[in-house]
Amino acid sequence: QSVLTQPPSVSGAPGQRVTISCTGSSSNIGAGSDVHWYQQLPGTVPKLLIYRNSNRPSGVPDRFSGSKSGTSASLVISGLQAEDEADYYCQSYDSSLTGFVFGDGTKVTVL
Amino acid sequence: EVQLVESGGDLVQPGGSLRLSCAASGFTFSGYSMNWVRQAPGKGPEWISYISSSGVSKHYADSVKGRFTISRDNAKNSLLLEMSSLRADDTAMYYCARGASAAGFEWFDPWGQGTLVTVSS
Repeated sequence: QSVLTQPPSVSGAPGQRVTISCTGSSSNIGAGSDVHWYQQLPGTVPKLLIYRNSNRPSGVPDRFSGSKSGTSASLVISGLQAEDEADYYCQSYDSSLTGFVFGDGTKVTVL
Repeated sequence: EVQLVESGGDLVQPGGSLRLSCAASGFTFSGYSMNWVRQAPGKGPEWISYISSSGVSKHYADSVKGRFTISRDNAKNSLLLEMSSLRADDTAMYYCARGASAAGFEWFDPWGQGTLVTVSS
């Protein structure tokens, strides 16, 4: 059980908007630690999707967006596409554990 | 092009030792912190170790503290992970990942392709 809680799965039809939450605590997100998001397509290596809460690396489509508020963060996929079917992980720093932590991941299914 | 290539993964018996390597290319290795992240089958990633760009600062997850040692050779553009007292729950794909940071917060980009460690008798 990770210190960052994500829903196990979310789904949506092509073109729909889906939101993945990442809920932490006062020792990580609530303490001001940035949240980063990774996408892991089936059989591949995790790839950075969003860094520092809301920034997209070069090459990441603008249908992916991130935000942070209080002890939680969210990843939004606007205009869901078939190729977005993947596992998504949030990551932050936890001051109590003095280390980096990942969420357990959310599987996105495109209906 | 930034490349990270891990090697050294193997099948090892419980209690055994293993040494993983990560060869870096395409960037100024000595200018970046580096990390090891593992992913057990069907599970999410787990950060296990960090080393600063100079090699002076090192941090470990509680799950590997005292058993794993991270090091780097900036002259050879290589990252190492010495693993001992291996247990079945150390079975995972092990990735090296370049650290990127701002305002003291670190993220991992890119990741290597990984090397598989299996601990079993």
